[in-house]
Amino acid sequence: SQQGEEDPQALSIQEGENATMNCSYKTSINNLQWYRQNSGRGLVHLILIRSNEREKHSGRLRVTLDTSKKSSSLLITASRAADTASYFCATDGRGGADGLTFGKGTHLIIQP
Amino acid sequence: GAVVSQHPSRVICKSGTSVKIECRSLDFQATTMFWYRQFPKQSLMLMATSNEGSKATYEQGVEKDKFLINHASLTLSTLTVTSAHPEDSSFYICSASAGSGETQYFGPGTRLLVL
Repeated sequence: SQQGEEDPQALSIQEGENATMNCSYKTSINNLQWYRQNSGRGLVHLILIRSNEREKHSGRLRVTLDTSKKSSSLLITASRAADTASYFCATDGRGGADGLTFGKGTHLIIQP
Repeated sequence: GAVVSQHPSRVICKSGTSVKIECRSLDFQATTMFWYRQFPKQSLMLMATSNEGSKATYEQGVEKDKFLINHASLTLSTLTVTSAHPEDSSFYICSASAGSGETQYFGPGTRLLVL
């Protein structure tokens, strides 16, 4: 089964607006992470939220985690053109010592 | 955040040759390193997990004899794609972690093109 599925798959908004991306997963997790990937480049770690946390902030980023619904959301406030990228959630549902399971990602486009 | 490097960043090779990709953690000791593969417009898929001094653990469907992984030190892991074929062309990304449950820091990736 697919772990960490994001929606929407693509999102286009105007600069200055807020962008919300959602992620769902199927198994128990220790933590959930969000990453950004610019086209053809490596991953940039954005934020990690542990299973006992419900909300976390980092700059313009706000992440929520609802373990009862097995879902997470990433909110980017006051979006900028430089935020254009693909965003992936990733879970570590096998004890934390194993690799991450990535969702399919949301491709975010910020229109200037 | 911690820095992970990969070398080379891009490689083109002929079918049948072997290619080695290095992954280094530059400012921390990585007890565990992971190798992922990403095909165009797709997400990352875990290939294998390697712990320093141990044999790598491969995900289902990943051929261990084709993708050789060596993690000889706490700062270096290598992935060797043996007898590469065009279908092995992909973006290979490594990550490193200082411990169980800790953040994984990703390298910039290596784009492999097999002709």
